[in-house]
Amino acid sequence: DADVTQTPRNRITKTGKRIMLECSQTKGHDRMYWYRQDPGLGLRLIYYSFDVKDINKGEISDGYSVSRQAQAKFSLSLESAIPNQTALYFCATSDERPGLAGEGPETQYFGPGTRLLVL
Amino acid sequence: ELKVEQNPLFLSMQEGKNYTIYCNYSTTSDRLYWYRQDPGKSLESLFVLLSNGAVKQEGRLMASLDTKARLSTLHITAAVHDLSATYFCAVDIGDDKIIFGKGTRLHILP
Repeated sequence: DADVTQTPRNRITKTGKRIMLECSQTKGHDRMYWYRQDPGLGLRLIYYSFDVKDINKGEISDGYSVSRQAQAKFSLSLESAIPNQTALYFCATSDERPGLAGEGPETQYFGPGTRLLVL
Repeated sequence: ELKVEQNPLFLSMQEGKNYTIYCNYSTTSDRLYWYRQDPGKSLESLFVLLSNGAVKQEGRLMASLDTKARLSTLHITAAVHDLSATYFCAVDIGDDKIIFGKGTRLHILP
């Protein structure tokens, strides 16, 4: 079974609709991230969370909100979807290196992605 | 302005050839990641480079980091078709934020 899962994998919605993308992980990591990927732009960080009570904005948080329901679950919401939010969305997790707290995350493990089309 | 720039963005090369992908970044960092993404797939971690002068190798890929020059390289030796993919570098800029480059799309011709 995959360590990082995302649902749905594909979604088509209309402008103005509210939509939630969900991410679950079984890796036991504290840190979780949401990115969007657009052709030619690489990945851009939307939000990230270091634990259930710690949520931080990334580069492009406007128009998005998140919820960290548990260590293993991190949801991304588009309150009122617009066409320029059409993109591929990735969830990722990471963990601090053992014994070296505060020195940054180890490698990130990515989910399979959610392809979102906003009409 | 913070920038993570990869060069080239597109690369088509023959099997058996060597080539290097460059990743320049504009802020201080001593932690850099390389990822691979196959079409329609997620990202897969290749290397984590944690200090100046770090060099890591896996098969035909070798990555290095020069923090003074703010430069990382991903070198491909004797390329094979299976290495066709998009390669991303990503830089930890502090506060545990990671910024990705735009990716290098590599196409290896048989």
